[in-house]
Amino acid sequence: DAGVIQSPRHEVTEMGQEVTLRCKPISGHNSLFWYRQTMMRGLELLIYFNNNVPIDDSGMPEDRFSAKMPNASFSTLKIQPSEPRDSAVYFCASSSGAAGQETQYFGPGTRLLVL
Amino acid sequence: DQQVKQNSPSLSVQEGRISILNCDYTNSMFDYFLWYKKYPAEGPTFLISISSIKDKNEDGRFTVFLNKSAKHLSLHIVPSQPGDSAVYFCAARRDSNYQLIWGAGTKLIIKP
Repeated sequence: DAGVIQSPRHEVTEMGQEVTLRCKPISGHNSLFWYRQTMMRGLELLIYFNNNVPIDDSGMPEDRFSAKMPNASFSTLKIQPSEPRDSAVYFCASSSGAAGQETQYFGPGTRLLVL
Repeated sequence: DQQVKQNSPSLSVQEGRISILNCDYTNSMFDYFLWYKKYPAEGPTFLISISSIKDKNEDGRFTVFLNKSAKHLSLHIVPSQPGDSAVYFCAARRDSNYQLIWGAGTKLIIKP
């Protein structure tokens, strides 16, 4: 099992540019989570999907952020336009979503730097 | 409102001794708790969990204790090894809610 795959691993961009982060969850998992980690705020949940449907996007900081999950094996997190305060590590995680105590499995993260 | 709190940002322990990481929570509806471990430049990895119907769960060198009356859980690592040096996150979840509520993390440093 390849685990959760994220790309790119590192992204450096200039303020105002569009940034797209990609995630491939573990095959068979039906819940997908996008997190952001910063020194100031720790690990924050941005949005999560269940069966490709967004369930809770209350953590999305503002309209510049959007996330999609067109199918069970792919999700994107887009920031448009990007700002320096968006600089952080963005993690994608997936879980089986089975009733009970499912565990979330994290990808390696995308380190984003907005100049 | 921080529902899950890890009040110690860092902890330093001698190799071979016991490491105890603490976590407090405020929401009595939480029924499942997890510990994750994170190395630099990697995503968090699941370590151990405990259901609210238990007060202890053990897996090798790792034991999690839950005190529901005090809304407190702790992770014990014994004996501590250099590879245990990492950031440890406590997380909690309510029944039928997929969202995990995370603590801020505790950086554990194991001294040789």
